Amino acid sequence: QKEVEQNSGPLSVPEGAIASLNCTYSDRVSQSFFWYRQYSGKSPELIMSIYSNGDKEDGRFTAQLNKASQYVSLLIRDSQPSDSATYLCAVNRVGGSNYKLTFGKGTLLTVNP
Amino acid sequence: DTEVTQTPKHLVMGMTNKKSLKCEQHMGHRAMYWYKQKAKKPPELMFVYSYEKLSINESVPSRFSPECPNSSLLNLHLHALQPEDSALYLCASSQAQDYNSPLHFGNGTRLTVT
Repeated sequence: QKEVEQNSGPLSVPEGAIASLNCTYSDRVSQSFFWYRQYSGKSPELIMSIYSNGDKEDGRFTAQLNKASQYVSLLIRDSQPSDSATYLCAVNRVGGSNYKLTFGKGTLLTVNP
Repeated sequence: DTEVTQTPKHLVMGMTNKKSLKCEQHMGHRAMYWYKQKAKKPPELMFVYSYEKLSINESVPSRFSPECPNSSLLNLHLHALQPEDSALYLCASSQAQDYNSPLHFGNGTRLTVT
């Protein structure tokens, strides 16, 4: 089982719709979870972090975490064409005695005008 | 604009060349990272420095040599690279190497090895 798994997509939604991005992880002791957005040819940009079970909202973005199910998701409300990008789920794991961030393969989101 | 600055933005080098990638941050972060990203793949961790000491080396070939001269600077020295090393090299920093410190990435250096 891969450490961090995401559907690679592409996920296509119409403008104004809700985009739902999902991620599962294998290591039960993982403690922190991040969503990064990466436009083509650019570097990853942090958009959300979540550390405890439940929902966390920031503007049009909501991150959801369920540690029992080892599942984290990102909802984007009122999707805009500018949201079209690859969304990377990242999980902070302990490697030896040190924390390191491991990324999923990313989900390509396309928002159609 | 990113607060992590990487130079150069683009680099083309031959397999016998020696070059260096540079990264600088002025956010007072104490952890700095090198990631490698191939096209349509996620970033892969190469090295982590915490308080200027190497804390993680992900079994990276010795042709890549990291250096952290001080808490604001991170270098990656390149020597005798192979064409398959062509990729986007990303530098990142975080407040500390712990579970609740998100990484902030620079804009990357796009490396082509000929």
